[in-house]
Amino acid sequence: GAGVSQTPSNKVTEKGKYVELRCDPISGHTALYWYRQSLGQGPEFLIYFQGTGAADDSGLPNDRFFAVRPEGSVSTLKIQRTERGDSAVYLCASSSGTGRNEQFFGPGTRLTVL
Amino acid sequence: GQNIDQPTEMTATEGAIVQINCTYQTSGFNGLFWYQQHAGEAPTFLSYNVLDGLEEKGRFSSFLSRSKGYSYLLLKELQMKDSASYLCAFYNTDKLIFGTGTRLQVFP
Repeated sequence: GAGVSQTPSNKVTEKGKYVELRCDPISGHTALYWYRQSLGQGPEFLIYFQGTGAADDSGLPNDRFFAVRPEGSVSTLKIQRTERGDSAVYLCASSSGTGRNEQFFGPGTRLTVL
Repeated sequence: GQNIDQPTEMTATEGAIVQINCTYQTSGFNGLFWYQQHAGEAPTFLSYNVLDGLEEKGRFSSFLSRSKGYSYLLLKELQMKDSASYLCAFYNTDKLIFGTGTRLQVFP
């Protein structure tokens, strides 16, 4: 089947605007993760869903960032009042469970805040 | 606290063997992953170690020593397509904690 997909692939916005980034996980995967990757760095954990609930949101940098997964499948990462420092690639990953289950990554959304 | 460290860059020649080291410190450990990431692409899974020892998978092998907080990824018979970043990550409770990645350049 299809892998993890993310839309849009690129998003350019102005400082202060609101953006939504979408992730479609692999069908049947219960666990969904959001990471942020800056240039030359490894992915940085933001939030993890098990089903519909956010099991761990300790990586969200501040209250401008919020994510939902209302039906336990598609997830949306929402960023309010964007800042230039939010510019990065936002990666989504899904897995069939936690622990040793491999996380499959999507291609990412490159966010640029001007 | 949590910390993970790997070299920033490495170079090697086509056909050679290269070892990429990774050291980590964490209070909670549930396994160590290696991912490959080509420029502009998503990370792809290479290996997973939860017990001490060597895991071999084709040209790639990964080693783990939990007592030393140490892992390495061994790439044999290097090919030009192996030029990529290699990310070391440990699994802590419910999330992966990544290192900065090692950018490997393979030359002919």
